[in-house]
Amino acid sequence: SQQGEEDPQALSIQEGENATMNCSYKTSINNLQWYRQNSGRGLVHLILIRSNEREKHSGRLRVTLDTSKKSSSLLITASRAADTASYFCATGTYNYGQNFVFGPGTRLSVLP
Amino acid sequence: DGGITQSPKYLFRKEGQNVTLSCEQNLNHDAMYWYRQDPGQGLRLIYYSQIVNDFQKGDIAEGYSVSREKKESFPLTVTSAQKNPTAFYLCASTDLLRANYGYTFGSGTRLTVV
Repeated sequence: SQQGEEDPQALSIQEGENATMNCSYKTSINNLQWYRQNSGRGLVHLILIRSNEREKHSGRLRVTLDTSKKSSSLLITASRAADTASYFCATGTYNYGQNFVFGPGTRLSVLP
Repeated sequence: DGGITQSPKYLFRKEGQNVTLSCEQNLNHDAMYWYRQDPGQGLRLIYYSQIVNDFQKGDIAEGYSVSREKKESFPLTVTSAQKNPTAFYLCASTDLLRANYGYTFGSGTRLTVV
């Protein structure tokens, strides 16, 4: 089945730096979403990008999508210690009634 | 405030015992999902339901059972047939007409076999 694969598996940066995480997938998609998970908690939806979109912004988050390369990136600018979490991409193939498939995630550590 | 409530937060199971994890939502969402997460890994789909009294197996349904008698509730039973049940279990829901707005997740139940 299709699956997003995040890269890198783990990322450690200093507060104030930018963090970039990538997601690659195997088959055509309708949309791609990014989620954040703090340790021991549920996932929180961050942003969705549709297959006909190339870039979206939400606060300090910027997501890009390249359907020709079957890849997406999540950029967090001016990172803060509170951004320390795992980040997952999830791919969906339909507009209705779809189940999203989650990748294994990138573990981000922002050091003060 | 609307949301999803999972209980209990921590659960301990003895060998050969069935246990039930609760998931309740007041978001009026049609679809509900159960995922399993193992340390350092992504989410794997156990079961999902898009309508009351109907549910479908996900990728790893063996050893698990569910019911959907009410729109608000989607309990998961981990049976003795599940040989390695120790994991973090997450429940999620979504409005199917607005599925592109993503899933809402509960805060999870950590199940440990003792």
